[in-house]
Amino acid sequence: GDSVTQMEGPVTLSEEAFLTINCTYTATGYPSLFWYVQYPGEGLQLLLKATKADDKGSNKGFEATYRKETTSFHLEKGSVQVSDSAVYFCALSGWGSRTGTASKLTFGTGTRLQVTL
Amino acid sequence: SQTIHQWPATLVQPVGSPLSLECTVEGTSNPNLYWYRQAAGRGLQLLFYSVGIGQISSEVPQNLSASRPQDRQFILSSKKLLLSDSGFYLCAWSVNGRTTDTQYFGPGTRLTVL
Repeated sequence: GDSVTQMEGPVTLSEEAFLTINCTYTATGYPSLFWYVQYPGEGLQLLLKATKADDKGSNKGFEATYRKETTSFHLEKGSVQVSDSAVYFCALSGWGSRTGTASKLTFGTGTRLQVTL
Repeated sequence: SQTIHQWPATLVQPVGSPLSLECTVEGTSNPNLYWYRQAAGRGLQLLFYSVGIGQISSEVPQNLSASRPQDRQFILSSKKLLLSDSGFYLCAWSVNGRTTDTQYFGPGTRLTVL
């Protein structure tokens, strides 16, 4: 079945450091890929997405490129801020996970990012 | 624009008591609706999803149930809570029939069973 593997956290960085959170996936067909962010005590917010190979999703300075050859969707940001401290989830919605018109997201376990001054 | 509401935001319940969590979506029609649970420090577990009124699919056997009495209303229930039901419950919606499959999440309900 579909699966998503994220790097273990927590990741601790100083403000203005470069961020990479690795995400690899296993899925049949051509899944859509997502990054969600969860701030403390809140629900998940969609950060960015990509729906086909070589697409780059971007938002708020974060980027991720859909790499089908390496089955990866790594999240990057050139200069993190304290306000970026949160848990980041990689997810996929694959053709194999459809039932009727519903899709089922497969999530990674999440990576906690802590940014310090 | 679409918004999704959940209530209550926080709930503390004794073991064996009933549960009712509500989720409503505004600004869209015939959405797909989902219930997830997030245990402390863990990822998300899909509990139920619905593609229409009265249509519920269960992902994990447990003492929880879900209902969809109206197009944009999704309710999570239990007759008798267990300690293991504690967690953060998230409702989500997606556009029915769309291929991009983005799910949009509500603010969540934190449930503590004592």
